[in-house]
Amino acid sequence: NAGVTQTPKFQVLKTGQSMTLQCAQDMNHNSMYWYRQDPGMGLRLIYYSASEGTTDKGEVPNGYNVSRLNKREFSLRLESAAPSQTSVYFCASSLLSNSQETQYFGPGTRLLVL
Amino acid sequence: GQQLNQSPQSMFIQEGEDVSMNCTSSSIFNTWLWYKQDPGEGPVLLIALYKAGELTSNGRLTAQFGITRKDSFLNISASIPSDVGIYFCAGQLYDMRFGAGTRLTVKP
Repeated sequence: NAGVTQTPKFQVLKTGQSMTLQCAQDMNHNSMYWYRQDPGMGLRLIYYSASEGTTDKGEVPNGYNVSRLNKREFSLRLESAAPSQTSVYFCASSLLSNSQETQYFGPGTRLLVL
Repeated sequence: GQQLNQSPQSMFIQEGEDVSMNCTSSSIFNTWLWYKQDPGEGPVLLIALYKAGELTSNGRLTAQFGITRKDSFLNISASIPSDVGIYFCAGQLYDMRFGAGTRLTVKP
């Protein structure tokens, strides 16, 4: 099992460019999540998908869109990147979305917006 | 919102020493989790706590879910160089909130 995989590992964008971060899990989990991690702050939830076909906003959704493509894949899109979106992005998955289920994280995508 | 205060922000210790870190919140949580993050990697779950008062160990790690459901601590005994990394607490009620992390450095 690869667990949670993310592509790309690194990306540099110019302000205004768009890109999609990809995430896939092979653990047959129902719920998937996107977080961003900034220096001196904990991970903050951008969007999550409790189950295939549903998505919901997290703590910091502005400037992002998501697509739950199927049970395995959950993508995060930046339509018009801004320097404030420079961050490390982590995808995570869990069997269910309730508070008893632990989340497993991917290795992260490091994004720099110039 | 549900804010987590994690302390200390960083620790520099000698190999063999014990370590203690904690998280507090003004809100209650149903689950407390402790993760470790190595450089360039995603967080990896160390210990999960599901009940107020619960004390759980994982090798040299021990964590407790506070009775008030608003705090948790993590202890590492007899630290070794590979304990180096950033330790995050996380509390979960409806969604998961993370502390800012404790950066641990272990000097051989």
